[in-house]
Amino acid sequence: DTGVSQDPRHKITKRGQNVTFRCDPISEHNRLYWYRQTLGQGPEFLTYFQNEAQLEKSRLLSDRFSAERPKGSFSTLEIQRTEQGDSAMYLCASSLAMGGDTQYFGPGTRLTVL
Amino acid sequence: QKEVEQNSGPLSVPEGAIASLNCTYSDRGSQSFFWYRQYSGKSPELIMSIYSNGDKEDGRFTAQLNKASQYVSLLIRDSQPSDSATYLCAVNTNTGNQFYFGTGTSLTVIP
Repeated sequence: DTGVSQDPRHKITKRGQNVTFRCDPISEHNRLYWYRQTLGQGPEFLTYFQNEAQLEKSRLLSDRFSAERPKGSFSTLEIQRTEQGDSAMYLCASSLAMGGDTQYFGPGTRLTVL
Repeated sequence: QKEVEQNSGPLSVPEGAIASLNCTYSDRGSQSFFWYRQYSGKSPELIMSIYSNGDKEDGRFTAQLNKASQYVSLLIRDSQPSDSATYLCAVNTNTGNQFYFGTGTSLTVIP
């Protein structure tokens, strides 16, 4: 296992469409995080899973956003009725819930909403 | 007040010099602190983690933590042009479930 992977790497969609992103964490990692990053800003926390349980969700995450990690392995992030303001890099990170919880990031999915 | 604050820079240093990057955080109970490097268009890459007061060295990088002052820094010795990137400070809050990132400091190392 070489690290966290994300798919797709790039997504262009029209406003109002739904999009879904996938994240595959490092295999032994039980924690998985989703972040959003816009130009000139640091990653902004969206949500966090420990195994299959979604334990934390940012108040910034509107009801158009939903995330799942059904079997405690890969995760999906869905955005419904996309808006131009959703254009950003969506980053996934994983960690082991011990030893300081160091997070390792995937390459990200860049979303452009036209 | 933001949870994590960094000087956005840009910071420019000549090749071979020491680059000093600073970060302050607001949650006094924070336990874990991280520095990430991010090249343009790429995802963050972990440089160092630090958990206790004092210095931690790894090659050309030294992280410094002062919990009383709520301050963490990163020193890069013998800076190289390949160190030119944005450096992100991240803090794991007292609850342990959320990481907060600063906006990053842009560093340019001039050959």
